[in-house]
Amino acid sequence: AQSVAQPEDQVNVAEGNPLTVKCTYSVSGNPYLFWYVQYPNRGLQFLLKYITGDNLVKGSYGFEAEFNKSQTSFHLKKPSALVSDSALYFCAVRANTDKLIFGTGTRLQVFP
Amino acid sequence: KAGVTQTPRYLIKTRGQQVTLSCSPISGHRSVSWYQQTPGQGLQFLFEYFSETQRNKGNFPGRFSGRQFSNSRSEMNVSTLELGDSALYLCASSSDTGTGYTEAFFGQGTRLTVV
Repeated sequence: AQSVAQPEDQVNVAEGNPLTVKCTYSVSGNPYLFWYVQYPNRGLQFLLKYITGDNLVKGSYGFEAEFNKSQTSFHLKKPSALVSDSALYFCAVRANTDKLIFGTGTRLQVFP
Repeated sequence: KAGVTQTPRYLIKTRGQQVTLSCSPISGHRSVSWYQQTPGQGLQFLFEYFSETQRNKGNFPGRFSGRQFSNSRSEMNVSTLELGDSALYLCASSSDTGTGYTEAFFGQGTRLTVV
């Protein structure tokens, strides 16, 4: 069975500093990995995805993620955090046409 | 291009009643998935429809059901509502051609409150 783990409930970072939101996964076969962001009282917005190819994936709003097959990780990163990045971030995994499974979410708080 | 539209946005129902939620996917998208989001359980997968057929199903009781129409619009129904069904119900659509790796786009959700 496939699963996703986001080990941190909350990540705090000062504005201008780099940020990392962690994600590990378990899936049979090749994984399709995604990051989404959710602002209060809104649906989820797609940030980026890894399907195949380059391990470093670039997405919306300056976010990027690094796929590491040996560590089964797909951490979300941004070189310089903004206060407006404060939101709830979800990692998700899918294997082939199986269901898209989400992690429990990590709340990112960026302080001015 | 219009996004995923969910109606209604808010709903208050009484225990024991039933409810139907609607989702209109992005034009051309054939895959529609439903999720339940609660503070305690996070995002739980309910079911996915692809070209009017249920392709995947989560671990929810039979009170939760869904369907997809020929125009890809989808509905989910919850019968005999319980207090624990109070949640944000999210619908997502994708242009999945059967390979599974296209991203899903979410609607704003329907906030269901059961009293």
